[in-house]
Amino acid sequence: QSALTQPASVSGSPGQSITISCTGTSSDVGSYNLVSWYQQHPGKAPKLMIHEVSQRPSGTSDRFSGSKSGNTAYLTISGLQAEDEAVYYCCSDTGSNTDVVFGGGTSLTVL
Amino acid sequence: QVQLVQSGAEVKRPGASVKVSCKASGYTFINYAISWVRQAPGQGPEWMGWISAYNGNTHYAQNLQGRVTMTTDTSTTTAYMELRSLRSDDTAIYYCARQSIRCPTCWFDPWGQGTLVTVSS
Repeated sequence: QSALTQPASVSGSPGQSITISCTGTSSDVGSYNLVSWYQQHPGKAPKLMIHEVSQRPSGTSDRFSGSKSGNTAYLTISGLQAEDEAVYYCCSDTGSNTDVVFGGGTSLTVL
Repeated sequence: QVQLVQSGAEVKRPGASVKVSCKASGYTFINYAISWVRQAPGQGPEWMGWISAYNGNTHYAQNLQGRVTMTTDTSTTTAYMELRSLRSDDTAIYYCARQSIRCPTCWFDPWGQGTLVTVSS
């Protein structure tokens, strides 16, 4: 199973919005609404931000939103803040309902 | 609060085995499953497999079949991951993460703090 494809880096200024893409195939991202997103600050464990494409767990700011179109999922962060600077990983069911695959990660820089 | 606390860093020789623990607290242990995910230096996460804390059923990533064993101890609410025949490319931070039994690929939350396993001669 190949890793999902994410851009290596994105950047934005405080207050702006950015979108990170996560491209898979019809067998994984395109098959079910089982895409999740994780935020990882340096030296820390990943933190769940979005699950099942667009669901926010309690505690996740509503500045974070998720969507999907075909074989590509998206994470949008609006009203960028300095604390959003981190690496973001997408994750998808592989179509098996038992296995998952992660993306390579996108480093977000808040200018 | 829901928390997963892992054992400390390990240094192993190639060919050896390592066993990492993950102590759960703040929730009903047997109502969830635990996944293990590793992250090599500078790389994205790699899912290794999961174990149901309810009945001990396991599902391992195909590339690790035969080398990995996941277990739980419900009396101490602790999950374990043992990896055998270690190679240098097994050097990584190993994380445990809670997941739903009903929907094992829906989400991983929370994650343990991670355990660095270094394989070096």
